[in-house]
Amino acid sequence: GQNIDQPTEMTATEGAIVQINCTYQTSGFNGLFWYQQHAGEAPTFLSYNVLDGLEEKGRFSSFLSRSKGYSYLLLKELQMKDSASYLCAVRDNYGQNFVFGPGTRLSVLP
Amino acid sequence: DAMVIQNPRYQVTQFGKPVTLSCSQTLNHNVMYWYQQKSSQAPKLLFHYYDKDFNNEADTPDNFQSRRPNTSFCFLDIRSPGLGDAAMYLCATSAASNQPQHFGDGTRLSIL
Repeated sequence: GQNIDQPTEMTATEGAIVQINCTYQTSGFNGLFWYQQHAGEAPTFLSYNVLDGLEEKGRFSSFLSRSKGYSYLLLKELQMKDSASYLCAVRDNYGQNFVFGPGTRLSVLP
Repeated sequence: DAMVIQNPRYQVTQFGKPVTLSCSQTLNHNVMYWYQQKSSQAPKLLFHYYDKDFNNEADTPDNFQSRRPNTSFCFLDIRSPGLGDAAMYLCATSAASNQPQHFGDGTRLSIL
């Protein structure tokens, strides 16, 4: 089976740094994706990890530890427009199953 | 320029009346997906096509069908919509199954 966990909600202040965690238990592993979704809009791709370590993309970074079944998304220099849901998604070993986590709703306060 | 286009943006249908949602893509991607997303929940994969090969998720109701007549287009048919089928339906594409997915803006379906 597949099980992906994320905190339901987080709050942070403009200009700060926030880390959104994702833990997963899946039948095999073939990559982990992070998406951003604003209310009423489609998800947009942020980052992809398939090997252990940190991937950095501007203000966003994502980390993966396959042995721990753990990933995090790090957002730096938070802006008001970063208020959104952040979805962690895992692809299984055969690349056929793609499962989204429940998402973390981030609120950035002034 | 929109690369994954879903029409219409909002769809209203009556309980039990068949409805078709459409998706087209200009990316020439091999893989196309349909997701159902209900309010405050994560997108749930209904099925996907790898080229012409259709893959149905085990828990997708029989009420939901899909067609992919060519690389560019994919349709979601709901044969007898129930009130529980009211949701946002998202279409996505990817170049290969291990590549990021690109989503359309979604069709919000309401059932009267």
